Amino acid sequence: EDQVTQSPEALRLQEGESSSLNCSYTVSGLRGLFWYRQDPGKGPEFLFTLYSAGEEKEKERLKATLTKKESFLHITAPKPEDSATYLCAVQRYGGATNKLIFGTGTLLAVQP
Amino acid sequence: GAGVSQTPSNKVTEKGKYVELRCDPISGHTALYWYRQSLGQGPEFLIYFQGTGAADDSGLPNDRFFAVRPEGSVSTLKIQRTERGDSAVYLCASSLGRSQGAGEQFFGPGTRLTVL
Repeated sequence: EDQVTQSPEALRLQEGESSSLNCSYTVSGLRGLFWYRQDPGKGPEFLFTLYSAGEEKEKERLKATLTKKESFLHITAPKPEDSATYLCAVQRYGGATNKLIFGTGTLLAVQP
Repeated sequence: GAGVSQTPSNKVTEKGKYVELRCDPISGHTALYWYRQSLGQGPEFLIYFQGTGAADDSGLPNDRFFAVRPEGSVSTLKIQRTERGDSAVYLCASSLGRSQGAGEQFFGPGTRLTVL
């Protein structure tokens, strides 16, 4: 069964304190792995898509990496405005569906 | 350009009532998805439309839930005989077709449904 597990559930950082969020996945035929940011009361906002092991993508203070079993979202020198829930999702090959299977997210709080 | 829009933003109803939730996708996106998100959880897939047809409705929890997309653009999620357990945020997303890039789904702000 396809599964996505994110850790930690919550993370509190001081401004400027770099860290990483983890997303472990089990899927029969990975088509893509996706990172989203979700602010309270809003829908998820697309950040990155990773398609193959070894791939990396960057956007401002965020960098996403992918291996065959997990993905990391590295946050370098975070600012308070980076506070949000970060969601990881996978999409599998095959069948008629493009559905995303989400983890439960990591709630990040960055304190000034 | 405009993103995905959903109406209403909030809906409060009584147990047993019927509700309709509307989604207007990004122009040109042929794929449309409905997800449901409970507090502290990630979005959970309900149904996927490619054009006018439901390509995958495996996530609909039971036959009280139904969705349509008659003209391949706007979609309506319909819930009959609502139950308190249906309370959640209902998210709509859209994407390009089935080619690479189709996984980049863009979400609306959601409809918060509360069943009293």
